[in-house]
Amino acid sequence: AQSVTQLDSHVSVSEGTPVLLRCNYSSSYSPSLFWYVQHPNKGLQLLLKYTSAATLVKGINGFEAEFKKSETSFHLTKPSAHMSDAAEYFCVVSLNQAGTALIFGKGTTLSVSS
Amino acid sequence: NAGVMQNPRHLVRRRGQEARLRCSPMKGHSHVYWYRQLPEEGLKFMVYLQKENIIDESGMPKERFSAEFPKEGPSILRIQQVVRGDSAAYFCASSTISGTGVSRNTEAFFGQGTRLTVV
Repeated sequence: AQSVTQLDSHVSVSEGTPVLLRCNYSSSYSPSLFWYVQHPNKGLQLLLKYTSAATLVKGINGFEAEFKKSETSFHLTKPSAHMSDAAEYFCVVSLNQAGTALIFGKGTTLSVSS
Repeated sequence: NAGVMQNPRHLVRRRGQEARLRCSPMKGHSHVYWYRQLPEEGLKFMVYLQKENIIDESGMPKERFSAEFPKEGPSILRIQQVVRGDSAAYFCASSTISGTGVSRNTEAFFGQGTRLTVV
């Protein structure tokens, strides 16, 4: 069965410092993995996705994530946080091999202070 | 391409009333998914539909909830006799399968959600 665990419900960083949002997954096959971001009163936006190509995936707004099969992890990072990064982030794994239905983690709220 | 459109954005219903949530997928998308986001929780898969077919409804509550995606028009998530516990944000997503069979190049595009409040 597929599942995803986001290890932190809330992460707080200062502007200009690195961001690390942790995600571990469980999948019976090589998964497709995604990170989505949700800003207040906005819909979900795809940040990046891993689909068995390069293990280091670059996304929008300077975010990237590394797929580590040995650790079953897909952590999201950014070298330098910006105030506008404050949002809720969801790690997502495919529900099926077609990648058309998704299981979401519980989300990590990122707070950025000046 | 206007993206996935959900309406209404906010819906208030009294206990016992019916709630109808609409989702118009992106142009050319024939797969629609409904998710529910309860307070303090992540999104939970509810149902996956293709035109005129329910493919997977394993996440739907057994009673009061139904979904459809007719040949013409938007997908509808219907909640009958709403209760306070139904208060949540309901998100719709759409996608298209590229190629045939197994494909990992599919992205689901999400609407802005409908926030249902039951009073």
